[in-house]
Amino acid sequence: GAVVSQHPSRVICKSGTSVKIECRSLDFQATTMFWYRQFPKQSLMLMATSNEGSKATYEQGVEKDKFLINHASLTLSTLTVTSAHPEDSSFYICSARDPTLGRAEAFFGQGTRLTVV
Amino acid sequence: KQEVTQIPAALSVPEGENLVLNCSFTDSAIYNLQWFRQDPGKGLTSLLLIQSSQREQTSGRLNASLDKSSGRSTLYIAASQPGDSATYLCAVEGGSEKLVFGKGTKLTVNP
Repeated sequence: GAVVSQHPSRVICKSGTSVKIECRSLDFQATTMFWYRQFPKQSLMLMATSNEGSKATYEQGVEKDKFLINHASLTLSTLTVTSAHPEDSSFYICSARDPTLGRAEAFFGQGTRLTVV
Repeated sequence: KQEVTQIPAALSVPEGENLVLNCSFTDSAIYNLQWFRQDPGKGLTSLLLIQSSQREQTSGRLNASLDKSSGRSTLYIAASQPGDSATYLCAVEGGSEKLVFGKGTKLTVNP
């Protein structure tokens, strides 16, 4: 099946700094990728849809200036958490699907555990 | 707004038992439904995808059913094993390609 790789798997940063998370589709080209956030014992919540070559589409309540998304190529989307605060500590996970397979199953990265101290 | 509920939130069974996990959704206008497995601190592994026109899908010891009109899906796990211990997530996809997830069922299979 399709493989989505996410890096890093864990990151600890100081308050006020920025953190970049990468999401790569390894064996297919993805014009669209999705970024989710998961709090402990909660559902995955969609944050934004990353569109290759254009601006990301953010869900209601998600600050676009805080969570910067760049989808510069067909295999890479990045999420940058700017001026991170402890409340941004969470599990971030991306997904993509192979467009040549139509609306088939979505594949997810390994996730990134962000801890802001 | 689509809402997905999974029952039970947690389940503990002895090895070898057959079990059923439940998922319900409020808006029956879905494109497909997908079951995932999530191990602690890890990403999601896709288990089964059921298109809205299908009634069930099978993969090994797993069988997922879909009753779109009643807004329900079940994941049946046969002959459970300790390695099946994980959190199982149900997600439905509407017209926008966005997935809406339930909170999951945490399964523990005891040796």
